[in-house]
Amino acid sequence: DTEVTQTPKHLVMGMTNKKSLKCEQHMGHRAMYWYKQKAKKPPELMFVYSYEKLSINESVPSRFSPECPNSSLLNLHLHALQPEDSALYLCASSQAPGASTDTQYFGPGTRLTVL
Amino acid sequence: GENVEQHPSTLSVQEGDSAVIKCTYSDSASNYFPWYKQELGKRPQLIIDIRSNVGEKKDQRIAVTLNKTAKHFSLHITETQPEDSAVYFCAAPTVNDMRFGAGTRLTVKP
Repeated sequence: DTEVTQTPKHLVMGMTNKKSLKCEQHMGHRAMYWYKQKAKKPPELMFVYSYEKLSINESVPSRFSPECPNSSLLNLHLHALQPEDSALYLCASSQAPGASTDTQYFGPGTRLTVL
Repeated sequence: GENVEQHPSTLSVQEGDSAVIKCTYSDSASNYFPWYKQELGKRPQLIIDIRSNVGEKKDQRIAVTLNKTAKHFSLHITETQPEDSAVYFCAAPTVNDMRFGAGTRLTVKP
């Protein structure tokens, strides 16, 4: 299995809702990432998990809360989002921690709309 | 932190022509340079990468060149086909960051 999967594919939520995005990989990768991508822009790194521990948080607002229950799963919990948080949220994984030389493989993304 | 610049932002070529996209980076510690292709509504997919111990790498119609002294690397696509139309991103990861270039929208006209 060489694929990163994400659910749901699409999500529409109100500003008072609580929702979660899920990501899964079965490649034995030990680093997992969350990115945010706005239209016509490159992906922006949000969080990095290394061996199930949060290693990088790129000054992301606390309304985004990541969680790594085990080495195959990565969640992003959403609460009290703003309309400007609407974007494509991409999960990625790589074999070893540290982005310097390690190829990242992306999931298909969750397209989030905040009303 | 790392700063990656990518040019051009848009590129239109005729089918069969070559396309070249260039990126520069600022952090001399960077030593791995992937290129991703993203079709509309889809995930970024790695198409080729190069590590700093080589100057050029080729995979069929796609090649990447790296000049570490000048801190720039380029993607070359030969014999372009309509299915090459997409947005292409370069990246220059460091240990604590993964910075992408702004992207190049390539259109191959049949």
